[in-house]
Amino acid sequence: GAVVSQHPSWVICKSGTSVKIECRSLDFQATTMFWYRQFPKQSLMLMATSNEGSKATYEQGVEKDKFLINHASLTLSTLTVTSAHPEDSSFYICSAEPTKGFEKTQYFGPGTRLLVL
Amino acid sequence: QQPVQSPQAVILREGEDAVINCSSSKALYSVHWYRQKHGEAPVFLMILLKGGEQKGHDKISASFNEKKQQSSLYLTASQLSYSGTYFCGTVIQGAQKLVFGQGTRLTINP
Repeated sequence: GAVVSQHPSWVICKSGTSVKIECRSLDFQATTMFWYRQFPKQSLMLMATSNEGSKATYEQGVEKDKFLINHASLTLSTLTVTSAHPEDSSFYICSAEPTKGFEKTQYFGPGTRLLVL
Repeated sequence: QQPVQSPQAVILREGEDAVINCSSSKALYSVHWYRQKHGEAPVFLMILLKGGEQKGHDKISASFNEKKQQSSLYLTASQLSYSGTYFCGTVIQGAQKLVFGQGTRLTINP
Protein backbone atom coordinates (compact mmCIF):
# COMPACT_ATOMS: atom_id res chain seq x y z
CA GLY A 1 0.00 0.00 0.00
CA ALA A 2 0.81 3.73 -0.06
CA VAL A 3 2.26 3.85 -3.56
CA VAL A 4 3.01 7.13 -5.27
CA SER A 5 3.95 7.37 -8.93
CA GLN A 6 5.64 10.16 -10.81
CA HIS A 7 5.81 10.76 -14.50
CA PRO A 8 8.05 11.23 -16.33
CA SER A 9 11.06 9.81 -14.54
CA TRP A 10 13.48 11.62 -16.86
CA VAL A 11 13.11 14.83 -18.83
CA ILE A 12 15.62 16.53 -21.08
CA CYS A 13 14.44 19.80 -22.56
CA LYS A 14 15.74 22.94 -24.20
CA SER A 15 16.05 26.19 -22.31
CA GLY A 16 12.85 28.21 -22.48
CA THR A 17 10.45 25.32 -22.73
CA SER A 18 7.94 24.23 -20.09
CA VAL A 19 7.89 20.84 -18.45
CA LYS A 20 4.99 19.21 -16.62
CA ILE A 21 5.53 16.55 -13.96
CA GLU A 22 2.67 14.44 -12.66
CA CYS A 23 2.38 12.94 -9.19
CA ARG A 24 -0.27 10.34 -8.45
CA SER A 25 -1.24 8.48 -5.32
CA LEU A 26 -2.22 5.07 -6.64
CA ASP A 27 -3.94 3.35 -3.74
CA PHE A 28 -4.97 6.13 -1.42
CA GLN A 29 -6.43 9.61 -1.47
CA ALA A 30 -4.21 12.53 -0.63
CA THR A 31 -5.66 15.89 0.25
CA THR A 32 -2.13 17.21 0.60
CA MET A 33 0.84 16.61 -1.65
CA PHE A 34 4.30 18.10 -1.48
CA TRP A 35 6.91 19.00 -4.04
CA TYR A 36 10.58 18.81 -3.18
CA ARG A 37 13.76 19.59 -5.00
CA GLN A 38 17.00 17.79 -4.30
CA PHE A 39 20.48 18.65 -5.52
CA PRO A 40 23.22 16.00 -5.50
CA LYS A 41 24.31 14.97 -2.02
CA GLN A 42 21.92 17.41 -0.42
CA SER A 43 18.76 17.15 1.58
CA LEU A 44 15.19 17.46 0.39
CA MET A 45 14.13 21.07 0.08
CA LEU A 46 10.41 21.67 0.22
CA MET A 47 9.25 23.84 -2.65
CA ALA A 48 5.51 23.92 -2.08
CA THR A 49 2.56 22.28 -0.41
CA SER A 50 -0.29 21.38 -2.68
CA ASN A 51 -3.83 21.10 -1.32
CA GLU A 52 -6.66 19.63 -3.34
CA GLY A 53 -9.04 22.28 -4.54
CA SER A 54 -7.04 25.26 -3.32
CA LYS A 55 -3.96 27.24 -4.18
CA ALA A 56 -0.57 25.82 -3.37
CA THR A 57 1.53 27.26 -0.57
CA TYR A 58 5.03 28.08 -1.72
CA GLU A 59 8.13 28.18 0.43
CA GLN A 60 10.11 31.36 0.72
CA GLY A 61 12.27 31.95 -2.32
CA VAL A 62 10.28 29.69 -4.64
CA GLU A 63 8.76 31.57 -7.58
CA LYS A 64 5.11 30.66 -7.85
CA ASP A 65 4.89 31.90 -11.42
CA LYS A 66 7.77 29.69 -12.45
CA PHE A 67 6.71 26.54 -10.64
CA LEU A 68 3.00 26.14 -11.26
CA ILE A 69 1.23 23.60 -9.10
CA ASN A 70 -2.20 22.18 -9.68
CA HIS A 71 -3.90 19.68 -7.38
CA ALA A 72 -6.97 18.86 -9.38
CA SER A 73 -8.08 15.72 -7.58
CA LEU A 74 -7.42 13.72 -4.44
CA THR A 75 -4.96 11.54 -6.33
CA LEU A 76 -3.20 13.89 -8.73
CA SER A 77 -0.94 16.90 -8.40
CA THR A 78 1.10 18.42 -11.21
CA LEU A 79 4.17 20.64 -11.20
CA THR A 80 4.90 22.69 -14.29
CA VAL A 81 8.31 24.27 -14.61
CA THR A 82 7.71 27.20 -16.93
CA SER A 83 10.42 28.64 -19.18
CA ALA A 84 12.95 26.23 -17.78
CA HIS A 85 16.61 27.24 -17.60
CA PRO A 86 19.74 25.18 -16.90
CA GLU A 87 19.70 26.22 -13.24
CA ASP A 88 16.34 24.47 -12.90
CA SER A 89 18.02 21.14 -13.61
CA SER A 90 17.50 19.00 -10.54
CA PHE A 91 15.79 15.97 -9.05
CA TYR A 92 12.16 16.78 -8.32
CA ILE A 93 10.31 14.52 -5.90
CA CYS A 94 6.69 14.59 -4.87
CA SER A 95 5.17 13.09 -1.78
CA ALA A 96 1.62 12.48 -0.69
CA GLU A 97 0.06 12.54 2.74
CA PRO A 98 -2.90 10.15 2.99
CA THR A 99 -6.17 11.90 3.79
CA LYS A 100 -6.94 9.11 6.22
CA GLY A 101 -3.41 8.85 7.31
CA PHE A 102 -1.35 8.72 10.40
CA GLU A 103 0.31 11.81 11.75
CA LYS A 104 1.52 13.47 8.58
CA THR A 105 3.41 10.52 7.20
CA GLN A 106 4.50 11.27 3.66
CA TYR A 107 5.01 8.70 0.94
CA PHE A 108 7.36 9.64 -1.83
CA GLY A 109 7.19 9.15 -5.55
CA PRO A 110 10.22 7.83 -7.44
CA GLY A 111 11.29 11.30 -8.53
CA THR A 112 11.82 13.08 -11.83
CA ARG A 113 15.25 14.07 -13.11
CA LEU A 114 15.10 17.27 -15.12
CA LEU A 115 17.97 18.33 -17.33
CA VAL A 116 17.64 21.67 -19.08
CA LEU A 117 20.07 22.23 -21.92
CA GLN B 1 14.06 24.95 11.61
CA GLN B 2 16.10 22.13 10.10
CA PRO B 3 16.98 19.29 12.46
CA VAL B 4 20.64 18.39 12.80
CA GLN B 5 21.79 14.89 12.05
CA SER B 6 24.98 13.25 13.20
CA PRO B 7 27.21 11.81 12.04
CA GLN B 8 27.22 13.09 8.47
CA ALA B 9 28.64 9.84 7.19
CA VAL B 10 29.38 6.36 8.48
CA ILE B 11 31.32 3.51 6.93
CA LEU B 12 30.80 0.06 8.40
CA ARG B 13 31.53 -3.54 7.67
CA GLU B 14 28.62 -5.89 7.23
CA GLY B 15 27.39 -7.07 10.61
CA GLU B 16 28.42 -3.98 12.55
CA ASP B 17 26.01 -1.66 14.33
CA ALA B 18 25.28 2.01 13.66
CA VAL B 19 23.49 4.83 15.44
CA ILE B 20 22.25 7.95 13.68
CA ASN B 21 21.10 10.90 15.73
CA CYS B 22 18.65 13.67 14.97
CA SER B 23 18.23 16.70 17.18
CA SER B 24 16.09 19.81 17.11
CA SER B 25 16.22 23.16 18.84
CA LYS B 26 12.43 23.24 18.98
CA ALA B 27 9.93 21.09 20.86
CA LEU B 28 8.99 18.22 18.60
CA TYR B 29 5.64 16.64 17.93
CA SER B 30 6.92 13.79 15.80
CA VAL B 31 10.04 12.39 14.15
CA HIS B 32 10.00 10.52 10.84
CA TRP B 33 12.82 8.38 9.48
CA TYR B 34 13.45 7.71 5.79
CA ARG B 35 16.13 5.92 3.80
CA GLN B 36 17.11 7.03 0.32
CA LYS B 37 19.24 4.96 -2.01
CA HIS B 38 21.25 6.65 -4.70
CA GLY B 39 19.07 7.87 -7.54
CA GLU B 40 15.86 6.84 -5.84
CA ALA B 41 13.20 8.52 -3.76
CA PRO B 42 13.14 8.29 0.04
CA VAL B 43 11.41 5.30 1.58
CA PHE B 44 9.47 5.69 4.82
CA LEU B 45 10.89 3.65 7.70
CA MET B 46 8.99 4.71 10.78
CA ILE B 47 7.41 7.54 12.73
CA LEU B 48 7.73 8.32 16.42
CA LEU B 49 5.34 10.58 18.27
CA LYS B 50 5.73 12.88 21.22
CA GLY B 51 5.32 11.20 24.52
CA GLY B 52 8.53 9.37 23.95
CA GLU B 53 8.54 6.02 22.35
CA GLN B 54 10.60 3.36 20.73
CA LYS B 55 9.83 1.47 17.61
CA GLY B 56 11.47 -1.09 15.45
CA HIS B 57 11.14 -3.70 12.83
CA ASP B 58 13.66 -6.31 11.88
CA LYS B 59 17.04 -4.92 12.94
CA ILE B 60 16.20 -1.26 12.54
CA SER B 61 14.74 0.56 15.52
CA ALA B 62 14.44 4.11 16.78
CA SER B 63 13.83 6.03 19.95
CA PHE B 64 12.45 9.49 20.63
CA ASN B 65 13.50 11.44 23.68
CA GLU B 66 10.94 14.19 23.85
CA LYS B 67 12.67 16.08 26.66
CA LYS B 68 15.95 16.26 24.79
CA GLN B 69 14.20 16.85 21.46
CA GLN B 70 16.26 14.06 20.00
CA SER B 71 15.71 10.86 18.12
CA SER B 72 18.13 8.07 17.37
CA LEU B 73 17.97 5.40 14.69
CA TYR B 74 19.64 2.10 15.50
CA LEU B 75 20.79 -0.35 12.86
CA THR B 76 22.04 -3.61 14.28
CA ALA B 77 23.99 -6.31 12.49
CA SER B 78 23.96 -4.14 9.39
CA GLN B 79 23.35 -5.68 6.00
CA LEU B 80 24.59 -4.50 2.63
CA SER B 81 21.03 -3.45 1.80
CA TYR B 82 21.11 -0.90 4.62
CA SER B 83 23.44 1.33 2.61
CA GLY B 84 21.97 4.68 1.67
CA THR B 85 21.33 8.10 3.04
CA TYR B 86 19.12 8.31 6.11
CA PHE B 87 17.01 11.38 6.68
CA CYS B 88 15.11 12.34 9.76
CA GLY B 89 12.13 14.60 9.32
CA THR B 90 10.65 16.51 12.21
CA VAL B 91 7.33 18.15 12.87
CA ILE B 92 7.55 20.91 15.44
CA GLN B 93 4.75 21.19 17.98
CA GLY B 94 2.09 23.51 16.63
CA ALA B 95 3.44 23.37 13.09
CA GLN B 96 2.13 21.57 10.02
CA LYS B 97 5.32 21.02 8.08
CA LEU B 98 7.76 18.13 7.98
CA VAL B 99 11.33 19.44 7.79
CA PHE B 100 14.18 17.14 6.83
CA GLY B 101 17.67 16.99 8.26
CA GLN B 102 20.72 17.12 6.03
CA GLY B 103 21.03 13.35 5.91
CA THR B 104 23.52 10.73 7.09
CA ARG B 105 25.25 8.68 4.44
CA LEU B 106 25.69 5.07 5.51
CA THR B 107 28.03 2.80 3.58
CA ILE B 108 28.13 -0.91 4.38
CA ASN B 109 31.09 -2.83 3.00
CA PRO B 110 31.33 -6.61 2.74
